[in-house]
Amino acid sequence: DAGVTQSPTHLIKTRGQQVTLRCSPKSGHDTVSWYQQALGQGPQFIFQYYEEEERQRGNFPDRFSGHQFPNYSSELNVNALLLGDSALYLCASSFGLGQPQHFGDGTRLSIL
Amino acid sequence: GENVEQHPSTLSVQEGDSAVIKCTYSDSASNYFPWYKQELGKGPQLIIDIRSNVGEKKDQRIAVTLNKTAKHFSLHITETQPEDSAVYFCAASNEGSQGNLIFGKGTKLSVKP
Repeated sequence: DAGVTQSPTHLIKTRGQQVTLRCSPKSGHDTVSWYQQALGQGPQFIFQYYEEEERQRGNFPDRFSGHQFPNYSSELNVNALLLGDSALYLCASSFGLGQPQHFGDGTRLSIL
Repeated sequence: GENVEQHPSTLSVQEGDSAVIKCTYSDSASNYFPWYKQELGKGPQLIIDIRSNVGEKKDQRIAVTLNKTAKHFSLHITETQPEDSAVYFCAASNEGSQGNLIFGKGTKLSVKP
């Protein structure tokens, strides 16, 4: 039974560039949430997708956008990258809204 | 909005001892409290959770207690083992608002053999 998978595992970009991160939820899960984890901090909620719609959004600028596909997989896009966007980006999936969330191992994004 | 405070930030125990990590939350509407374990280079792993209609929950060597009146909840690990060494995060959410998790800053637990 595959868990949450994320790709790529590591990524290096320069300021001003754009990036797309991908997530496949755990088998049977239909809800995907994205979190940003800075070094030494707890994860911070970015947004949540259910039925291909953004259902909830945290305190992140419009440079952060996402998408959910009919197969429940999801993408996180970040435009106009800033040095402060360097972090571990985590995807979590659940079976429905408000249900226990299971995390992938994340994508480590470094901005130079 | 919700704010979760977690203490201590680091905890060192001898193998076989117990470890306790405490969290407080601010939003009385929060009703779901999971705990995650994060090992180096890995994502957070859900280890136990509790809902506000329950005061205590156990799963083998780990237990969680919840005091709704005081708005705090704790993780207890008994008979600690070196493989329990990791960073532990508490979180809180209001399932009625679709369950976005608010995390504490984490506790780095070191279990010395």
